[in-house]
Amino acid sequence: SQTIHQWPATLVQPVGSPLSLECTVEGTSNPNLYWYRQAAGRGLQLLFYSVGIGQISSEVPQNLSASRPQDRQFILSSKKLLLSDSGFYLCAWSRRGGGELFFGEGSRLTVL
Amino acid sequence: AQSVTQPDIHITVSEGASLELRCNYSYGATPYLFWYVQSPGQGLQLLLKYFSGDTLVQGIKGFEAEFKRSQSSFNLRKPSVHWSDAAEYFCAVGPFAGGTSYGKLTFGQGTILTVHP
Repeated sequence: SQTIHQWPATLVQPVGSPLSLECTVEGTSNPNLYWYRQAAGRGLQLLFYSVGIGQISSEVPQNLSASRPQDRQFILSSKKLLLSDSGFYLCAWSRRGGGELFFGEGSRLTVL
Repeated sequence: AQSVTQPDIHITVSEGASLELRCNYSYGATPYLFWYVQSPGQGLQLLLKYFSGDTLVQGIKGFEAEFKRSQSSFNLRKPSVHWSDAAEYFCAVGPFAGGTSYGKLTFGQGTILTVHP
């Protein structure tokens, strides 16, 4: 069966510090990968998606970037965090031919 | 542009009562519709999905949803709510077909369900 792991689960960082959130998927090949951000009362916002190694599409211009160094690894980064980057970040994957998303457990980021 | 509206931010029901969570969508093509549930501090779990066929779909945990194209709605229902159903529920819409568009879902704002004993 397929699993998705996301870490760290919780992160408290000062403004201006770097960020790295990691996500890996097991049990499938060539998944589409996604980073969503969830702010309180604002639903989920798609940040990045990837259909293959090194292929990243950005949905929203912002202070964040994403990379996919391996087929089943997706990383969300920032060089300098802003207060507005605080939120709950969710990694997800989907099959190439199917529509539903499978989510990780999320990473809570608090920028102080 | 596609959009999803969940009109109810917060719903409170008594345990054992029936439940209906509303979802309206705007989409220019054949939609792929989903309901997800999220417990506090957790990821989202898929309850059910619809893309064609019978407009009444059954999901996990006793939930069902009905697709009504004429009303652009995909409401979630459960005949008898359990205390463990307390969570936040998200409706989502995405493209039914098209290469790299798969999985680019648009989510509603969510409905928080509180269940009273």
